[in-house]
Amino acid sequence: DTEVTQTPKHLVMGMTNKKSLKCEQHMGHRAMYWYKQKAKKPPELMFVYSYEKLSINESVPSRFSPECPNSSLLNLHLHALQPEDSALYLCASSQDDARDRVNSGNTIYFGEGSWLTVV
Amino acid sequence: GQNIDQPTEMTATEGAIVQINCTYQTSGFNGLFWYQQHAGEAPTFLSYNVLDGLEEKGRFSSFLSRSKGYSYLLLKELQMKDSASYLCAVVRNTPLVFGKGTRLSVIA
Repeated sequence: DTEVTQTPKHLVMGMTNKKSLKCEQHMGHRAMYWYKQKAKKPPELMFVYSYEKLSINESVPSRFSPECPNSSLLNLHLHALQPEDSALYLCASSQDDARDRVNSGNTIYFGEGSWLTVV
Repeated sequence: GQNIDQPTEMTATEGAIVQINCTYQTSGFNGLFWYQQHAGEAPTFLSYNVLDGLEEKGRFSSFLSRSKGYSYLLLKELQMKDSASYLCAVVRNTPLVFGKGTRLSVIA
């Protein structure tokens, strides 16, 4: 089973709203990631959690706030977003941080994504 | 830099073979992945290469030359459902930096 589950699949929010995206995996993976993907562009890394600790923040604006409550869950809290933040937000996980030795166990598996529209 | 170059678009005929190339800067290289992404869907893992050579997986094969900073994805016996974007992604000090992807159209 290589399943990463994301909720909600679609979210429309106003610029003053506070909402959260949720991600869950039960593969025992110790690294989890948030990527952002705009239309016709490749995914761009936002955050990396390794062993429930934030290890990479790719200069993401503070209106995006990640949280890793436990090794299976990863949240992305959204507040005061802008229309240009509308995108597909992808959660992913791997057995260990993908920067460590790359092998079959470190394959990064993606969830189906959450489509976010900011109005 | 993190330059990862792929052709933007390719077209191939059903039943044929297509090769999608990817070149990258070799400094700090730790591994290379290929993903398939259908429009409106998440990327799906296809293959990975750490060492030089060819990795075969059914109709899909991926090749890596670390000294040349070069990889390709080979798709055989093309089917209409193979129409998708194919993303080359490199691991360095940042996990999975993606190229811009190659949009493959399979025609009858």
